[in-house]
Amino acid sequence: GAGVSQSPRYKVAKRGQDVALRCDPISGHVSLFWYQQALGQGPEFLTYFQNEAQLDKSGLPSDRFFAERPEGSVSTLKIQRTQQEDSAVYLCASSLALGQGVREQYFGPGTRLTVT
Amino acid sequence: RKEVEQDPGPFNVPEGATVAFNCTYSNSASQSFFWYRQDCRKEPKLLMSVYSSGNEDGRFTAQLNRASQYISLLIRDSKLSDSATYLCAAADNFNKFYFGSGTKLNVKP
Repeated sequence: GAGVSQSPRYKVAKRGQDVALRCDPISGHVSLFWYQQALGQGPEFLTYFQNEAQLDKSGLPSDRFFAERPEGSVSTLKIQRTQQEDSAVYLCASSLALGQGVREQYFGPGTRLTVT
Repeated sequence: RKEVEQDPGPFNVPEGATVAFNCTYSNSASQSFFWYRQDCRKEPKLLMSVYSSGNEDGRFTAQLNRASQYISLLIRDSKLSDSATYLCAAADNFNKFYFGSGTKLNVKP
């Protein structure tokens, strides 16, 4: 079946611009995660949704970062007033996890954000 | 100190070799563990979950040592196509995954 999809795949933004990154999880996956991956590093947790509820946003680096999943399916990660340090790959993952059960996460192809 | 630490490598091995990677985690409350494979400029792909009793999938064997807080991945009979970065992840009760920085493997002909 279809995996996790993300758009756009590449985004170049001028410093100070706002960007919106979209994630479409695997159908039926209630849990959705956003990660930031810098070059040469592993993915770093940003935020986690179970259905439409944002259960953990402890990894968002600043109040310029905002994520939503209003209908419990597609999610958008928004970054306001982008800075050069925001340049990274933003990965979305989804899983069947519900409650406190840990399940495997499946990743989308990522959005490569470059802030100039 | 990072939650999950890995030797960045690279591990350069000939085809057919056996290679092992370790990964240590600092949170003793970590519940579940995973190995992912990541090719250059691609997303991480799940390789295997790591169970307490250890598990094997073809040429790949994963083991968990809770007492010493490490997980390992053994690859037997390495193929050229195994060349990639291998990421380990530890998950807490709340589905938060902590990833290491990855170990790079180069399998040479």
